[in-house]
Amino acid sequence: KAGVTQTPRYLIKTRGQQVTLSCSPISGHRSVSWYQQTPGQGLQFLFEYFSETQRNKGNFPGRFSGRQFSNSRSEMNVSTLELGDSALYLCASRGAGLASNEQFFGPGTRLTVL
Amino acid sequence: QQQVKQSPQSLIVQKGGIPIINCAYENTAFDYFPWYQQFPGKGPALLIAIRPDVSEKKEGRFTISFNKSAKQFSLHIMDSQPGDSATYFCAAISESGSARQLTFGSGTQLTVLP
Repeated sequence: KAGVTQTPRYLIKTRGQQVTLSCSPISGHRSVSWYQQTPGQGLQFLFEYFSETQRNKGNFPGRFSGRQFSNSRSEMNVSTLELGDSALYLCASRGAGLASNEQFFGPGTRLTVL
Repeated sequence: QQQVKQSPQSLIVQKGGIPIINCAYENTAFDYFPWYQQFPGKGPALLIAIRPDVSEKKEGRFTISFNKSAKQFSLHIMDSQPGDSATYFCAAISESGSARQLTFGSGTQLTVLP
């Protein structure tokens, strides 16, 4: 099975711009979660989508949003970028059933805000 | 509020040594405790996981010890190798409906010297 894929891998934006990141989960997985990783704050949960519905949201401002499509692919959007949004954005997918706690991460999108 | 505390922040051992990484949690609703390994430029990879009804779990050279009453768990790496040099994260999952939100520790940077 192919793993979780994220595009683009690297992105450079300037303050005030907006950005959209994409994630394709493992085939058959219906849940997609997004995490932000920074040296200072570590790994922090952004939100989770399951069957096109946001199931849970972390403590991030409304500038961070996401959505999931019927094929389980997900996008996250960050509007009005700030310098502090520079981070590695990770997407994780999980399957259903007894193994549903296992989350598999993609390689991440490295966002740099100048 | 840091719900999963991880120590040490960094660890250096000789090849063949047994590094031990410790984590403590606060939320008694956590019901699944995975460990992730992350190499530079990669997303975290699931290494091993444990549930609170088990006190120890071994997979290859990796062992998790779990103390439910103390709300602590630890990762032991037997016969460590230079290829084990990576950052290790403990995590915990709290269930919120069907959502699965990973709460991560701050990470331990492990260096195994040849």
